[in-house]
Amino acid sequence: QQPVQSPQAVILREGEDAVINCSSSKALYSVHWYRQKHGEAPVFLMILLKGGEQKGHEKISASFNEKKQQSSLYLTASQLSYSGTYFCGTVNQGGKLIFGQGTELSVKP
Amino acid sequence: KAGVTQTPRYLIKTRGQQVTLSCSPISGHRSVSWYQQTPGQGLQFLFEYFSETQRNKGNFPGRFSGRQFSNSRSEMNVSTLELGDSALYLCASSPRDRAGNEKLFFGSGTQLSVL
Repeated sequence: QQPVQSPQAVILREGEDAVINCSSSKALYSVHWYRQKHGEAPVFLMILLKGGEQKGHEKISASFNEKKQQSSLYLTASQLSYSGTYFCGTVNQGGKLIFGQGTELSVKP
Repeated sequence: KAGVTQTPRYLIKTRGQQVTLSCSPISGHRSVSWYQQTPGQGLQFLFEYFSETQRNKGNFPGRFSGRQFSNSRSEMNVSTLELGDSALYLCASSPRDRAGNEKLFFGSGTQLSVL
């Protein structure tokens, strides 16, 4: 079953923060995050494997609450280069990586 | 190292026809997954192959099929095309048997238009 992402779209000014949420109705083994810029292939951001684990890369980090079957992606001090569509992907017991419908992020100068 | 290569880049077909899309994974990668992307629907999982075996399949009709060859290259086929099959088809590879804990490397996709 497809995870649900919120919000569907968000507009930011440079330097502002954003949070993108991803939730599933099924038990999760891991959560993936990818970013896709317009006209390009999705690019891997991070995988979270353990409950409560938080990973980060520069000013983008994420958390994974295994009990609540939720993950959140945190973008701090956003840059123009952060614009794109963010997808969370969830993996359940069957091993399929199922993506959400995406969150479109626009960062304006 | 070359990335994931998908051919052709664009395809235009008419209803009722069939189509074959090709994916060459990164050298050394043995797992290939296929996704359909349409506006508003995100990335819909089609299938996943590892060592020529289909490991997982999504909720698509039997008109959608795929296979993987011994060199890890993969093809997907859609028969009796419908207008709703118009989409970007993305292929992704990963080095080993993906059990949900490896990152995927995506190709640029094949844009299929069904008229």
